Amino acid sequence: NAGVTQTPKFQVLKTGQSMTLQCAQDMNHNSMYWYRQDPGMGLRLIYYSASEGTTDKGEVPNGYNVSRLNKREFSLRLESAAPSQTSVYFCASRVQGAQETQYFGPGTRLLVL
Amino acid sequence: GNSVTQMEGPVTLSEEAFLTINCTYTATGYPSLFWYVQYPGEGLQLLLKATKADDKGSNKGFEATYRKETTSFHLEKGSVQVSDSAVYFCALMNTGNQFYFGTGTSLTVIP
Repeated sequence: NAGVTQTPKFQVLKTGQSMTLQCAQDMNHNSMYWYRQDPGMGLRLIYYSASEGTTDKGEVPNGYNVSRLNKREFSLRLESAAPSQTSVYFCASRVQGAQETQYFGPGTRLLVL
Repeated sequence: GNSVTQMEGPVTLSEEAFLTINCTYTATGYPSLFWYVQYPGEGLQLLLKATKADDKGSNKGFEATYRKETTSFHLEKGSVQVSDSAVYFCALMNTGNQFYFGTGTSLTVIP
């Protein structure tokens, strides 16, 4: 049981390049989330998926797209990276009900030059 | 709307000191409240939670009480250890599927 896994751990991009951040969970959770973490800003929600086949925008969706490939996987794509997207990106999955909480992956550190 | 405000850091304490990290929230209805902890280089982990007014969440010596009258969920620990050094996040979840996080408070405990 690996929990939530993310790849890659670290990536350097040039402005304008594209990339996809991968996230997978093996806990059979319905809901999955993408956040970015910036100094002094806490975590801000980019997109989330309440269930397989659905996605919704969060607080800061501009410049990103997502795909909920199946129940396990939720990817985040940067089509044309900008220096403002330099951040640490966290994926999370959520268990609902009495044990309500989110489980976070280890993060992807992205540097856009 | 929904939002969380927590005390600015960083906080530096000596081992065995008392810890309080303040957290207040704005929300409609009856949100669930959480404290998460982030150790260096890792993702966030749930520390404790409370789902209704007057509930007390507790874990690893940490406690927080859901105070609806003051819209607060302050984190406390009676005697901190060096291993408690981390960043602590207060969060709420309201109706719907979104979580709202505070900006985080960095805690350093020195021997």
